[in-house]
Amino acid sequence: DAGITQSPRHKVTETGTPVTLRCHQTENHRYMYWYRQDPGHGLRLIHYSYGVKDTDKGEVSDGYSVSRSKTEDFLLTLESATSSQTSVYFCAISEYGGGGAIGEQFFGPGTRLTVL
Amino acid sequence: AQTVTQSQPEMSVQEAETVTLSCTYDTSESDYYLFWYKQPPSRQMILVIRQEAYKQQNATENRFSVNFQKAAKSFSLKISDSQLGDAAMYFCAYLANTNAGKSTFGDGTTLTVKP
Repeated sequence: DAGITQSPRHKVTETGTPVTLRCHQTENHRYMYWYRQDPGHGLRLIHYSYGVKDTDKGEVSDGYSVSRSKTEDFLLTLESATSSQTSVYFCAISEYGGGGAIGEQFFGPGTRLTVL
Repeated sequence: AQTVTQSQPEMSVQEAETVTLSCTYDTSESDYYLFWYKQPPSRQMILVIRQEAYKQQNATENRFSVNFQKAAKSFSLKISDSQLGDAAMYFCAYLANTNAGKSTFGDGTTLTVKP
């Protein structure tokens, strides 16, 4: 299994508080992703990174920010959590983004976040 | 934008029998990859099988095989000799070769295996 950990694994917080989720990899993969998973919506991309300090928005980026200061760590921050951000959050990594090589993604175990 | 559609929210199969999960996608790209991921109750996402669009031969991995119809933009997953451990949610995913690894996922199909 790819070495991907997420912390915390579970978190309950209150509306308006800041929350940071951490994704850590030991595979030295270039690409890292944050998804959220909600019933009926599958996985939706929040933000992704294609290198240290290189990030871009996904389809549901409003209310989220990310940072990547090291290859192995990708942080997702909810500046002011809202109840609509209650979800399961998955981090994923990929060695390739395409370009002639298969870019399948390897996923972390997920973080269940509840915003009251 | 690419879209991936899984038209079967739920499927069930009898243990030892065969089941097929459907997936269609929409793209204007010619070079891309398709994947099936499995998510058991543990929530861990696991890659089941992958297919390169330029390959005509359908991918197989033990009891799992795909029926890839490029012209029809269809990518179904066949599970043979179903086992209780196959019970999970299955996601179809699309990745364009020039898309920085940004996969598009379908909404998933929940598979129940009956003993």
